[in-house]
Amino acid sequence: DAMVIQNPRYQVTQFGKPVTLSCSQTLNHNVMYWYQQKSSQAPKLLFHYYDKDFNNEADTPDNFQSRRPNTSFCFLDIRSPGLGDAAMYLCATSREGLAGGEQFFGPGTRLTVL
Amino acid sequence: AQSVSQHNHHVILSEAASLELGCNYSYGGTVNLFWYVQYPGQHLQLLLKYFSGDPLVKGIKGFEAEFIKSKFSFNLRKPSVQWSDTAEYFCAVINTDKLIFGTGTRLQVFP
Repeated sequence: DAMVIQNPRYQVTQFGKPVTLSCSQTLNHNVMYWYQQKSSQAPKLLFHYYDKDFNNEADTPDNFQSRRPNTSFCFLDIRSPGLGDAAMYLCATSREGLAGGEQFFGPGTRLTVL
Repeated sequence: AQSVSQHNHHVILSEAASLELGCNYSYGGTVNLFWYVQYPGQHLQLLLKYFSGDPLVKGIKGFEAEFIKSKFSFNLRKPSVQWSDTAEYFCAVINTDKLIFGTGTRLQVFP
């Protein structure tokens, strides 16, 4: 089945220790998104890619970076995680021009910062 | 900028009760609207979407939503909820390929 896969599902890191979360997709969608979702809150868009074009949200901290080496993979790098970065990180994809703009979400990676 | 408001933050119902969750959006032009559901411990899933045509949209698991342009609303309904509908529900609108989510409504259904 075509899907959005996120690894790992659970990640524990130490305060200030860099961490990388990964997302892969078999949908061949050209748009990929990273969201941060804290407990009982709506997902908050961090950035997204149109193909290789990177689009950062204005309020995304510099601590968060992303890489998209090819269509299928996208990475979220947190350079120096703080306690406030503990959250669920969601990856999503969509196909540009698809009527309705539906996004397909992965299961998320829950990040714990000690 | 577009925004989405969900006024019901927490709804508690008994099984077989009827459900209506409110959603209002701010943009007056053409809109694409969505309801997503997040079951406990699971990923966001699309319940239903509206982008044109019949303003009454049928989704999965017996849910439906009605787009009322004059009221800027897209309320979610289900005539008879089940315990398995316990979840967080998010209304969302598309803004140039970015989803703008509402704050969500937590639904708890008791047997």
